[in-house]
Amino acid sequence: ELKVEQNPLFLSMQEGKNYTIYCNYSTTSDRLYWYRQDPGKSLESLFVLLSNGAVKQEGRLMASLDTKARLSTLHITAAVHDLSATYFCAVDRIQGAQKLVFGQGTRLTINP
Amino acid sequence: ETGVTQSPTHLIKTRGQQVTLRCSSQSGHNTVSWYQQALGQGPQFIFQYYREEENGRGNFPPRFSGLQFPNYSSELNVNALELDDSALYLCASSSPGPKRGYTFGSGTRLTVV
Repeated sequence: ELKVEQNPLFLSMQEGKNYTIYCNYSTTSDRLYWYRQDPGKSLESLFVLLSNGAVKQEGRLMASLDTKARLSTLHITAAVHDLSATYFCAVDRIQGAQKLVFGQGTRLTINP
Repeated sequence: ETGVTQSPTHLIKTRGQQVTLRCSSQSGHNTVSWYQQALGQGPQFIFQYYREEENGRGNFPPRFSGLQFPNYSSELNVNALELDDSALYLCASSSPGPKRGYTFGSGTRLTVV
């Protein structure tokens, strides 16, 4: 059974600092997604990582994928308050149904 | 390019009642998946519909059922509602193949009292 684990689950940081969220998954997959969710809202797609070594950046967020280690990271550079949200990683499983298996989420709070 | 629309946005039901949630898929997408997101947790896969047939199911009881229509829109039906069914229900449309991607709707917040 495919499992996806994120850490940390809760992260409180100051503006201007850097930090990394980790996402581990249990079985082979070469497609990983990162989503942002604001309270009470739906999922906003941030990145789709398609292959080993893939790196994508958007503003202060950068995501990478290591399929051999079954690990993805979401790095936050010089955090700002607007990045406060819950971040989910998800792995695409296409055996049988085409479905996403999500991690538990990382609740990020950025303090002034 | 139209997005994914879900209705209603909020719903309050009594335990034991039945509910129907609706989802329109994004233009060009023929697959619809439903997810349940309980408070403070990640979304959990309920089931998927492809070309009007169920194409996989997560660990949910039979009282969770669905339909997909010829225009690829979909319904999620839940019978005999329980308090634990209170959650955000998300619909995602996608298309199969190497360029697949998922577009999520805004969700339906269901509260069972």
